[in-house]
Amino acid sequence: DQQVKQNSPSLSVQEGRISILNCDYTNSMFDYFLWYKKYPAEGPTFLISISSIKDKNEDGRFTVFLNKSAKHLSLHIVPSQPGDSAVYFCAASGIRLAAGGTSYGKLTFGQGTILTVHP
Amino acid sequence: DAGITQSPRYKITETGRQVTLMCHQTWSHSYMFWYRQDLGHGLRLIYYSAAADITDKGEVPDGYVVSRSKTENFPLTLESATRSQTSVYFCASSEAKTTNEKLFFGSGTQLSVL
Repeated sequence: DQQVKQNSPSLSVQEGRISILNCDYTNSMFDYFLWYKKYPAEGPTFLISISSIKDKNEDGRFTVFLNKSAKHLSLHIVPSQPGDSAVYFCAASGIRLAAGGTSYGKLTFGQGTILTVHP
Repeated sequence: DAGITQSPRYKITETGRQVTLMCHQTWSHSYMFWYRQDLGHGLRLIYYSAAADITDKGEVPDGYVVSRSKTENFPLTLESATRSQTSVYFCASSEAKTTNEKLFFGSGTQLSVL
């Protein structure tokens, strides 16, 4: 059962336009959401995050919106640049208990969306 | 350089062989994770560890074994490799004192099982 879903495998936009990447989740225990960016032959790198107590978080050209009632989040990139072309993963986390009673957070990822920004 | 490193970067093996993927981090992060990336599935958690000698299963643990004798190392072993284990494997670490701690990933190991 996929708890975090990115239903669009790919997105193509023109340089300078807005890119909107979407993500849906099913587990209401998730309380923290992140977006990661991945270039070919590299590991994913953290991009931006949002806590469930907020509905928007902005960092330069990147803004993440959270709609808790709809269990939906989106990443907006404005303006899009060719260097933004990559795979984008959304991820979610919540408090869990590991063996030994230690609390930790682990991430559940979506399938990823390939963003291509054309010059 | 400090950070998280995985070895080897590429590995080809045959079905039935044992394979160990290495992961080493220099941040002294308490938490370490192994994910696999497959088309259509994104990143799925195999195993994780909250500290040395504490490990637990993730979403897809079957066919894998982990150990964490030292905080900085978290090797992943495929006891008897199968073709379905052909994938890209990522190791990650974090402090994870709260849920607000992001993961830092290694560059990955591309494994092909023939």
